[in-house]
This record gives sequence, structure tokens and C-alpha cells, in this order.
Amino acid sequence: AQSVTQPDIHITVSEGASLELRCNYSYGATPYLFWYVQSPGQGLQLLLKYFSGDTLVQGIKGFEAEFKRSQSSFNLRKPSVHWSDAAEYFCAVGAPGGGADGLTFGKGTHLIIQP
Amino acid sequence: NAGVTQTPKFQVLKTGQSMTLQCAQDMNHEYMSWYRQDPGMGLRLIHYSVGAGITDQGEVPNGYNVSRSTTEDFPLRLLSAAPSQTSVYFCASRILDSLNTEAFFGQGTRLTVV
Repeated sequence: AQSVTQPDIHITVSEGASLELRCNYSYGATPYLFWYVQSPGQGLQLLLKYFSGDTLVQGIKGFEAEFKRSQSSFNLRKPSVHWSDAAEYFCAVGAPGGGADGLTFGKGTHLIIQP
Repeated sequence: NAGVTQTPKFQVLKTGQSMTLQCAQDMNHEYMSWYRQDPGMGLRLIHYSVGAGITDQGEVPNGYNVSRSTTEDFPLRLLSAAPSQTSVYFCASRILDSLNTEAFFGQGTRLTVV
């Protein structure tokens, strides 16, 4: 069964500093990988996704993520965070091939931005 | 652009009461699903549907029923609410043919069972 690990429950960074959120997955083949963001009291919004091709994917709001097969990782990065980036971030994995299974989510990383 | 609409946004139930959480989408997506979100647990799949008349269980289905009579609607029923069902519930939909498509989420329903 697929699984996702986000090892950092909370991360605090200063506004303007760089950010990296970690995500490791477990899946027998090349998975479909996603990063979602959840602002307080809101639903989830897709930041970016990977399913094939270039291992560095660009997303919305200046985020990017790099798929590293050898490390089973899909870390999210941003070169300079803004106060509006404070939110909960979820990494998710899906089974390719149009399977009926839903996405499997990590437990989330809560990002705090210091002024 | 309604997307995925969930009602109600907030609900308080007494133990043993029943209720239905509504979910509707206007994107003609075949796949719809329900997740619950609990602190430190992320989102866990409750039930899902790949089309009208077809539903299946996810990771945590106990205590919940679903039906899919139309493409647009996917209600989640709690027949006898328990405090363990206190959670935030999210409905999502996407195109079925490939998981590389984006799943669209509703705004959530915050349920408290006392």
C-alpha cells in the first residue's frame, strides 16, 4: 500500500527566507505526487503535481518541487517566503493508471512565518 | 464557478443522532470522495465513488454510508453519530481517467459530536 511521510509537523521560517518542506513516499512504482496547501478554515488547493517527465516541477505561488526517485522524495521549496504562505501543507501520492483509490495524504506540515 | 460545494459548514450533533453531509459538484467529474481531517492524522479517505450507482470503501469507512444517485451529488450519512466522528470533513472530485488530474476540494464541514 502507498504511504506518505512528512517528517516535520511544524516549521518556522522568517519572512524572506527560503523554505523546504520534506515529503517521502512509499509506492511500488512511479507514483503521482501532489502538494496541496490549506489556509486556515479553507479547503485544499493544489500547488503542484508530478506524474512524469522533468523531475523539477513548478507550481503556483512561486513554489517548486523536485522528484527524486532514488530517495523516494518529493520536497517542496520556495526561495523566499511571504507572510501569506503561513498554512498547512500536505503531500499526497496517488496510484497511476486511473485507479479508483483515492489519494493518500501525509499528516501535514504546519508552516509558521516569523516577521 | 461553483466547483465543489459542501453543506453545512458547521454542525453540532448529539451522540446517536443522524445527519447527512451534502456534497455537490458542477464539473461533471466521475470520481468523488469523502475525507476526514483530524489533528496530526492528515486526511483519510472514508468512501469514494467512480460514477453514479458505484461506491466503495476507503481507509476509514465504519460509521458512514454513502450513495451516488447522480453524477453531481455524493452525500455522506452518519446513522448514529459518535464523539469519535468529531472531525472536519472534505468532499473532493476529479476526472476519473487518470490520477494526474487535480482533485478539487470543497470548503469542508466541521462536525462536533457531543
